[in-house]
Amino acid sequence: GIQVEQSPPDLILQEGANSTLRCNFSDSVNNLQWFHQNPWGQLINLFYIPSGTKQNGRLSATTVATERYSLLYISSSQTTDSGVYFCGRIAGNKLTFGGGTRVLVKP
Amino acid sequence: ETGVTQSPTHLIKTRGQQVTLRCSSQSGHNTVSWYQQALGQGPQFIFQYYREEENGRGNFPPRFSGLQFPNYSSELNVNALELDDSALYLCASSSGTGGGSSLVQYFGPGTRLTVT
Repeated sequence: GIQVEQSPPDLILQEGANSTLRCNFSDSVNNLQWFHQNPWGQLINLFYIPSGTKQNGRLSATTVATERYSLLYISSSQTTDSGVYFCGRIAGNKLTFGGGTRVLVKP
Repeated sequence: ETGVTQSPTHLIKTRGQQVTLRCSSQSGHNTVSWYQQALGQGPQFIFQYYREEENGRGNFPPRFSGLQFPNYSSELNVNALELDDSALYLCASSSGTGGGSSLVQYFGPGTRLTVT
């Protein structure tokens, strides 16, 4: 089946720092979502990004479909950015998730 | 807020019992998917319902079953509960199966099930 790998598994940041999270795929990417899971378990949609680059405030994402990866950039991190970030590849009727990157932003 | 709601928020059951979880999809969405998320892992696809019919299933045993109603809300039923069924159960809705942005899934807050 499709493999989705995320790196790094854990990330500790000082407030104000920038970071890059990566998502690699074993198969072609044509539909991809990034999520932030808050401490209560809610999965919040960040981006739907099958290709190219999108920005939303301090967050931006880039997907290079031909090279089977996607990147999520967090700039000027805040403590509220803490949580787990997941990427998911949409194929047919399901999302296949990576294992997530656990982010802790310290004040 | 995604507009997807789930109930109950928390549930404690005993091994061998049965449980029903409920999900209301976002307005205008006719597709509901269910996922199981064990502690420390990414969500795993259980199954999807599209216009009241099952539209794909993940690697889960038959004791996991579901329904979708004419208003597109959905239920997940789990029979003969096992300790390993303890997890966060997430429901997601999308506007269709045709491709592109219609596949984008929006998640509810989840139901946390504990089996003792």
